Amino acid sequence: GQNIDQPTEMTATEGAIVQINCTYQTSGFNGLFWYQQHAGEAPTFLSYNVLDGLEEKGRFSSFLSRSKGYSYLLLKELQMKDSASYLCAVMDSNYQLIWGAGTKLIIKP
Amino acid sequence: IAGITQAPTSQILAAGRRMTLRCTQDMRHNAMYWYRQDLGLGLRLIHYSNTAGTTGKGEVPDGYSVSRANTDDFPLTLASAVPSQTSVYFCASSDGTGGTEAFFGQGTRLTVV
Repeated sequence: GQNIDQPTEMTATEGAIVQINCTYQTSGFNGLFWYQQHAGEAPTFLSYNVLDGLEEKGRFSSFLSRSKGYSYLLLKELQMKDSASYLCAVMDSNYQLIWGAGTKLIIKP
Repeated sequence: IAGITQAPTSQILAAGRRMTLRCTQDMRHNAMYWYRQDLGLGLRLIHYSNTAGTTGKGEVPDGYSVSRANTDDFPLTLASAVPSQTSVYFCASSDGTGGTEAFFGQGTRLTVV
């Protein structure tokens, strides 16, 4: 079966750095996405990785290792507005997105 | 403003009633999707459409039907609502090719009582 695993909840301090991990087992791989979802709102796109390595976009970076079935989202200089759920999703061989349950990130002052 | 719009934003529905959730996009995306999101389970695909005139079943299609008469609209119908269909429903669209992100509507919060 297809499976995406990520931690249910994480807590971090304002100004710090946090890494949210995602491991996956899917039938085929056509890329991995990270989305941010604030409470009561729709998910919004953060990043996309299809090749191994690190993609950096401002305070956010995403890493992929296809051989290990592993990705992480790195958030630097945390701000209170970063409190949200972070969703990992893998596009399988049929170009369908398989979603993790999301990681709720709590930022404390 | 280009985007994807859902209606209604919330609804309380009596069990056994029929309900259609509306979804419209103006980005000319080929692919459209309906998801439900329940606490602790993440987004689960109900139905999808890769292009106008075609639809497919996702992970949890039972009790739901869709149609795709044109590129812009992708309504989701609950023929006879049951309490287990209480959820937040998201419609999304993408251009359907690998590597392109999906854009989401604002969601419909449905409560079946």
